[in-house]
Amino acid sequence: DAKTTQPPSMDCAEGRAANLPCNHSTISGNEYVYWYRQIHSQGPQYIIHGLKNNETNEMASLIITEDRKSSTLILPHATLRDTAVYYCIVSGTTSGTYKYIFGTGTRLKVLA
Amino acid sequence: AAGVIQSPRHLIKEKRETATLKCYPIPRHDTVYWYQQGPGQDPQFLISFYEKMQSDKGSIPDRFSAQQFSDYHSELNMSSLELGDSALYFCASRDRSLTEAFFGQGTRLTVV
Repeated sequence: DAKTTQPPSMDCAEGRAANLPCNHSTISGNEYVYWYRQIHSQGPQYIIHGLKNNETNEMASLIITEDRKSSTLILPHATLRDTAVYYCIVSGTTSGTYKYIFGTGTRLKVLA
Repeated sequence: AAGVIQSPRHLIKEKRETATLKCYPIPRHDTVYWYQQGPGQDPQFLISFYEKMQSDKGSIPDRFSAQQFSDYHSELNMSSLELGDSALYFCASRDRSLTEAFFGQGTRLTVV
């Protein structure tokens, strides 16, 4: 399975954009980049995923570099409710079946 | 929208007892994943099923077994419980036409 590297923690001021980086230098051609977050001890929440192109939904934007070796999750206007651990996961059919392996994630704290 | 349902939400068992956790996937989802999250740890992949067949296996102890039934719900059976089995257990489900999985709110198992 491709591995990801994320900073252990980040702070962001409320109302500002939160940019969470992820390195996945060993990603294979058919593997997607997924972002999940876990608020306290709740179940991980799906945020967004992408293959090559940048993606945007109602929660966030995902920017994937052209070489696909890194990506950035952008929360455009962070709120206190966005305080969570954010996980970047790489998975795809080249791994066999889709399997979501969690790394250590980034603990994002949104400050008032 | 319907979500992944896990039951029970909380369970207390004594050492050496047996526990059964249940997962009801989102309707029409045919793939189920099980994860274990110990205190202060990240979710660890245990096992997955696709169309009632085991599709992948992670760090699942031999004392644990799981299966997926004809209605696609899944059960995780845990025997000879140990104190170290105390954790949150998450189930996730995925539809074959999608690449992303959705998680339930988990079962908190406490072994005393």
